[in-house]
Amino acid sequence: TQLLEQSPQFLSIQEGENLTVYCNSSSVFSSLQWYRQEPGEGPVLLVTVVTGGEVKKLKRLTFQFGDARKDSSLHITAAQPGDTGLYLCAGFRRGGSEKLVFGKGTKLTVNP
Amino acid sequence: SQTIHQWPATLVQPVGSPLSLECTVEGTSNPNLYWYRQAAGRGLQLLFYSVGIGQISSEVPQNLSASRPQDRQFILSSKKLLLSDSGFYLCAWSVPWGDEQFFGPGTRLTVL
Repeated sequence: TQLLEQSPQFLSIQEGENLTVYCNSSSVFSSLQWYRQEPGEGPVLLVTVVTGGEVKKLKRLTFQFGDARKDSSLHITAAQPGDTGLYLCAGFRRGGSEKLVFGKGTKLTVNP
Repeated sequence: SQTIHQWPATLVQPVGSPLSLECTVEGTSNPNLYWYRQAAGRGLQLLFYSVGIGQISSEVPQNLSASRPQDRQFILSSKKLLLSDSGFYLCAWSVPWGDEQFFGPGTRLTVL
């Protein structure tokens, strides 16, 4: 079974602080996606990382794929209340089934 | 551009009643289609996925069934709802063998 473990499960911080959330697995993935979900809405794709060691930036969000393609991290600089939401990582294995393996998410609250 | 629709947005049903949730995708052909359930704002549980008309793969034995009568239409059904069927139901699509999934707005189902 391919499992993705996300940590921390919950994170509450003040506006302006930095934070990192993690997504770890013992399995190798062809690619990994990060989604953000707001209450009552569907998840929205933020980024896909494909190459081991790859770093992608989306404004104040920095995503990194581990060298061995088993883990990933999301770093947010100077968090804002608009960053509040559930952050989900999902892994894909090319050549396997056409399914994503999802982590259980990190629920982030940024207080003004 | 592609869009994905789900309806209804919210639904309150008594135990033992039937269910039909609909998902349609616009702007793409031959998509893979997925039904997920999400409990309490946490991770996503894959229920069914389909790679083509009439082709349904079930992930979790349960009280639900899925059908794909048309290329861009995916339906989630139940003959008799249980209390445990309550949750947030999400439909998603991807290109064939694609590693990125795009989600609809979701349906909040409450079974009383």
